[in-house]
Amino acid sequence: DAKTTQPTSMDCAEGRAANLPCNHSTISGNEYVYWYRQIHSQGPQYIIHGLKNNETNEMASLIITEDRKSSTLILPHATLRDTAVYYCIVRGETGANNLFFGTGTRLTVIP
Amino acid sequence: NAGVMQNPRHLVRRRGQEARLRCSPMKGHSHVYWYRQLPEEGLKFMVYLQKENIIDESGMPKERFSAEFPKEGPSILRIQQVVRGDSAAYFCASSPDRDYTEAFFGQGTRLTVV
Repeated sequence: DAKTTQPTSMDCAEGRAANLPCNHSTISGNEYVYWYRQIHSQGPQYIIHGLKNNETNEMASLIITEDRKSSTLILPHATLRDTAVYYCIVRGETGANNLFFGTGTRLTVIP
Repeated sequence: NAGVMQNPRHLVRRRGQEARLRCSPMKGHSHVYWYRQLPEEGLKFMVYLQKENIIDESGMPKERFSAEFPKEGPSILRIQQVVRGDSAAYFCASSPDRDYTEAFFGQGTRLTVV
């Protein structure tokens, strides 16, 4: 099931950009990259997703490399409330009915 | 528009009892997914239901676990004869169609088996 690799943990200073990497070297052409986060055992929260182009919304930016084997989630100005576990997930548009969450990256925003 | 509502938020059961976890999807959502999260682990898919139908139960344990999503009322995840290993957080998500980009998760039910 594990199609993605993420660092176990990262720290980021408050107000700075948080850049969370994800490797998905076996991604296939019709698979999307999704990012979710889970704040302190709450329900997961959808952040952003993309196929090949970079994406931006009110929460974050997603940068996908040209070969699509890796991506980076960028939180432009991290706040203490962004401390959470961030999950990078690969899923086909019409593929599995489930999301495989893995263990994610635990981001700690430091004051 | 209320979010996905799960209740109870916390549930304590003795070994051998039954646990019933309820999930009310967001208004207009007819697709429900159940996930289980053991301590210090990621969420694991259990089952995907549409109204009155189980679409995918590939993640459900073969025994003691069942799920339903009736025409009226919430989705129910039922665990019979609970054991200590069932202690976990159970999350449900709902979406208007088979598209996770518009899926929202509830706050979960934390089941503790004593």
